Amino acid sequence: QQQVRQSPQSLTVWEGETAILNCSYEDSTFNYFPWYQQFPGEGPALLISISSVSDKKEDGRFTIFFNKREKKLSLHITDSQPGDSATYFCAAFLSGGSNYKLTFGKGTLLTVTP
Amino acid sequence: EAGVTQSPRYAVLQEGQAVSFWCDPISGHDTLYWYQQPRDQGPQLLVYFRDEAVIDNSQLPSDRFSAVRPKGTNSTLKIQSAKQGDTATYLCASSSDWGIYAEQFFGPGTRLTVL
Repeated sequence: QQQVRQSPQSLTVWEGETAILNCSYEDSTFNYFPWYQQFPGEGPALLISISSVSDKKEDGRFTIFFNKREKKLSLHITDSQPGDSATYFCAAFLSGGSNYKLTFGKGTLLTVTP
Repeated sequence: EAGVTQSPRYAVLQEGQAVSFWCDPISGHDTLYWYQQPRDQGPQLLVYFRDEAVIDNSQLPSDRFSAVRPKGTNSTLKIQSAKQGDTATYLCASSSDWGIYAEQFFGPGTRLTVL
């Protein structure tokens, strides 16, 4: 059972456009959501994250919008650059007592065309 | 500061063979994670340690997979008898903190192909 879902699987935008990547989750106990960026041949790297007490988090060209009631998030990348071409993973932290685990979605492959 | 290092970077095996992956976390990071990332999927947690203690290994196929971190620093993940379904990239990550806000730093991974 996929607890964190991402859409679309792949997305192509032109340089300068805004890319919108979607994420949804099922477990209402998830309370912290990091987004990771992964380039081919590399491990994922933390890009931006949001806590469930916030509805928006901004860092430069990257913004997370969070709707707790609908259990949905989206990552907006404004003024997309070819260097942003990568796979983006939405993840969610599940904590149970002293056990903290990250659950990842399947990712969205973003291609930015010059 | 050096990042998380892993070796080997690639491994190709026949079914039934054994393989070990080695991870050196960032210095001072007491929490270490092993993930399996099948092609075109997100990382899936196999096991994680705090110092030398296993905190969660519920997703580790215990009949063929084992992981150790004897001195609370480096770690080894071993597959005893590999299957084609084990084909994936194996990622190691480490963090300096404990809890949901702990940023995990990933190594480049070991890409395993089982023929």
